[in-house]
Amino acid sequence: EAGVVQSPRYKIIEKKQPVAFWCNPISGHNTLYWYRQNLGQGPELLIRYENEEAVDDSQLPKDRFSAERLKGVDSTLKIQPAELGDSAVYLCASSATGTVNTGELFFGEGSRLTVL
Amino acid sequence: EDQVTQSPEALRLQEGESSSLNCSYTVSGLRGLFWYRQDPGKGPEFLFTLYSAGEEKEKERLKATLTKKESFLHITAPKPEDSATYLCAVQASSGYSTLTFGKGTMLLVSP
Repeated sequence: EAGVVQSPRYKIIEKKQPVAFWCNPISGHNTLYWYRQNLGQGPELLIRYENEEAVDDSQLPKDRFSAERLKGVDSTLKIQPAELGDSAVYLCASSATGTVNTGELFFGEGSRLTVL
Repeated sequence: EDQVTQSPEALRLQEGESSSLNCSYTVSGLRGLFWYRQDPGKGPEFLFTLYSAGEEKEKERLKATLTKKESFLHITAPKPEDSATYLCAVQASSGYSTLTFGKGTMLLVSP
């Protein structure tokens, strides 16, 4: 069974440039999460989707970050414009509806962003 | 606000030297406490879920336990392949809440 797929794995951009990350969750997983992980820190939730609906985006910096999940499958996270402090690993995770309370999230390998 | 504190930040063990990692938490009603393993350059990988004080879960050389204030991840006779960062997370019982992760403990097991 294929896991959560993310791309690109690495991205280096200059500040003020836009960047986008793509995520394909495990087939059949209705819940999709975007997390940000800074060096030496645990992941922090940016946004959670139930199918195509964003049900928790309270931690998403909406002035520069946006996300979408068309047709309730793939998702894209965009940053425009990027700032130096956005350098981090952006992790996508998915979970099946029946396991949302078991804490069993399946994470992708992440997209490492470096803003110069 | 939910808080998770993990200690130590880093731990170096010799192969076969057993030890424990600590996860202290503050949450307004615990729905679940979760342990994840994260290898360098990879996303976290789910290990265990614990729901109530006194509960224990085991997987190979790992055993997770839970009290009302903290959880321990015991590693028995570790091997070099157990080297990774171990993350603890909690989920509050109020409505649906997100997982709050700690900073992790970086474990290095030397042969």
